[in-house]
Amino acid sequence: NAGVTQTPKFRVLKTGQSMTLLCAQDMNHEYMYWYRQDPGMGLRLIHYSVGEGTTAKGEVPDGYNVSRLKKQNFLLGLESAAPSQTSVYFCASSYSRGLAGEDEQFFGPGTRLTVL
Amino acid sequence: AQRVTQPEKLLSVFKGAPVELKCNYSYSGSPELFWYVQYSRQRLQLLLRHISRESIKGFTADLNKGETSFHLKKPFAQEEDSAMYYCALHGSSNTGKLIFGQGTTLQVKP
Repeated sequence: NAGVTQTPKFRVLKTGQSMTLLCAQDMNHEYMYWYRQDPGMGLRLIHYSVGEGTTAKGEVPDGYNVSRLKKQNFLLGLESAAPSQTSVYFCASSYSRGLAGEDEQFFGPGTRLTVL
Repeated sequence: AQRVTQPEKLLSVFKGAPVELKCNYSYSGSPELFWYVQYSRQRLQLLLRHISRESIKGFTADLNKGETSFHLKKPFAQEEDSAMYYCALHGSSNTGKLIFGQGTTLQVKP
C-alpha cells in the first residue's frame, strides 16, 4: 500500500497563478483533510471531507477550494495564488470518527509551495 | 474555544537527559488527545494517544484534566528522538478534525 500520496512535491508559482494539489489514498478511508504548516503556527486545517462528494471549511479556508469527486482523491485548488499561501501543505486521511483505534490520521509527505 | 498550546518552540537536551514536552489544551468536554511526531524528511505520524495509555519508543503522556495538560515525557532522551512534536486535540464534531498545537522541536545533543 502506498498510503497517502501527494502530487506535486514542490512547486513555485507567481502571484495570481492557479494550481491544483492532488491527494490520493488507497486505504479506503472516508475522511480526508488538507492542512498547511507554517513556522510557529503548527498545522492548520484548510478544508476537509467526510465522504465522497462532501467538503467543508476548516480553520483557514480563504483562497482555497476543494473537491472530493472520488473517495480516494481529495483535490486542493488555489485559484489566484498569493505570497501568503507560501507554505507546506499536508493531506491526511482517516477511517472514521468514534471507534477506538480507527481515528488515527495518516499523513502524506507534503507539498512545498512557494508563491513569488 | 478549543485550543492546544505548546509553549516551547525548541527544547534542547543532552543525550540521556529527561525530556518533557509541554502541551496544554482548552476544551469543554472530555478531550481526546494525541501526540504526533515528524522526523527529519519523514511524514507526520502518530506517536501515541491518551486513550490507549501506552508507551511508545519510551515516551509516555498522562492526561491531567485538572491542569488541562497532556505533557509528553521520556526519562532518557536518545539522539534519534530529535524531531518536531505536535500535540493534537480531537474536536467535538463528528468529523475527525484535529486541532494542533504550534509544535515543539526537540533537539537531542550527543
